[in-house]
Amino acid sequence: DIQMTQSPSSVSASVGDRVTITCRASQGISSWLAWYQQKPGKAPKSLIYAASSLQSGVPSRFSGSGSGTDFTLTISSLQPEDFATYYCQQTNSFPMTFGQGTRLEMK
Amino acid sequence: EVQLVESGGGLVQPGGSLRLSCAAAGFTFSTIAMSWVRQAPGKGLEWVSAIGGSGVSIYYADSVKGRFTISRDNSKNTLYLQMNSLRAEDTAVYYCAKAGGSSHYNGFDSWGQGTMVTVSS
Repeated sequence: DIQMTQSPSSVSASVGDRVTITCRASQGISSWLAWYQQKPGKAPKSLIYAASSLQSGVPSRFSGSGSGTDFTLTISSLQPEDFATYYCQQTNSFPMTFGQGTRLEMK
Repeated sequence: EVQLVESGGGLVQPGGSLRLSCAAAGFTFSTIAMSWVRQAPGKGLEWVSAIGGSGVSIYYADSVKGRFTISRDNSKNTLYLQMNSLRAEDTAVYYCAKAGGSSHYNGFDSWGQGTMVTVSS
């Protein structure tokens, strides 16, 4: 199975900050990586697919990059509604696996 | 608008069975791959099972293989998860998730609201 490791596990930031979350795969997954946002008590929301493609309706302050084993999710200017937990997921092969999550907290 | 509505969760004893359903609307269900993803209380997301649009291609996580069965009824636009031999560690919110196409390469673009399954005596 492909292991997905996110870093950091948690991060504190302020509105307006630029934040980057990293996801590393235990083996190459080409560009088959997705990112999700989840708020407490809610279902996950899809943000990015194929490493860098934005889902419809997702603000352009979110961006993704990377290929192979190393990927990043960047929020260019944090908004109050962005404080949440973020997960990466490899979609290259089954079993599809998620990272452990990164909790983005308000400083 | 895409809608995914799960049902069938509840409290069940260890060793028991439960069948989850996910009613889909707003897209051509028979052409889209679907998955079940679960989240134990306070934990992260865990992919459980996936099925292709025709129902032929099926995949399971090792943690549920041999105990859970995924299926779909394209005439009813409904996805199912039959869960047998349930264990305490199966306690979680179960989400159905719509793939961004006929395959799962583009991840999930829509999620249901989830249904809670509690396995306890």
